[in-house]
Amino acid sequence: DIQMTQSPSSLSASVGDRVTITCRASQNISNYLNWYQQKPGKAPQLLIYAASSLQSGVPSRFSGSGSGTDCTLTISSLQPEDFATYYCQQSYNTPRTFGQGTKVEIK
Amino acid sequence: QVQLQESGPGLVKPSQTLSLTCSVSGGSFTSNNYYWSWIRQPAGKGLEWIGRIFSTGTTNYNPSLKSRVTISVDTSKSQFSLKLSSVTAADTAVYYCARGHYYGSGSYIGALDYWGQGALVTVSS
Repeated sequence: DIQMTQSPSSLSASVGDRVTITCRASQNISNYLNWYQQKPGKAPQLLIYAASSLQSGVPSRFSGSGSGTDCTLTISSLQPEDFATYYCQQSYNTPRTFGQGTKVEIK
Repeated sequence: QVQLQESGPGLVKPSQTLSLTCSVSGGSFTSNNYYWSWIRQPAGKGLEWIGRIFSTGTTNYNPSLKSRVTISVDTSKSQFSLKLSSVTAADTAVYYCARGHYYGSGSYIGALDYWGQGALVTVSS
């Protein structure tokens, strides 16, 4: 199985801050990397697919980059509704695997 | 608008079989661009991929659960189902169904673009 490791596991930030979350795969996954946002009690929502493509309806302050083993999710200006947990997921092969999550909290 | 809805018992006894069904509305259920997945999340923990099925009936399972999992599809009803046998307390989780979407013509880059609201299943006697 491909292991996905996110860093940091949690972070505290203020509204307006630029936030970056990193996801590292245990092997080359090219750009087969997706990012999801999950709020408490809700299902995850797709933000970014194929490492850098913005899902329809997702605000442009979210962006993704990277390929190979290292990818990043960036929120250019954190908004109140962005406080949530973020997961990366590889879709290179099965079983699909997720990172452990990064919880973004209010500073 | 695509919608997915999980249904099934919220309480299952240890050693029995957990059964859930996901009903899909809106969009095409049989398009080659889509596949249908189950994911679970224990309370306070991360996401675990259980497996997926294509409308053709082809399946892929997580090896960690493969001996206990069966995913099936009923295209006439736009439904797919999960069965997990010999459950223990460790199988207590919120179970999500989701649609997988292959993006781009001839692409195998897939992502889970629509999710059900989740169904809490507790394994307890």
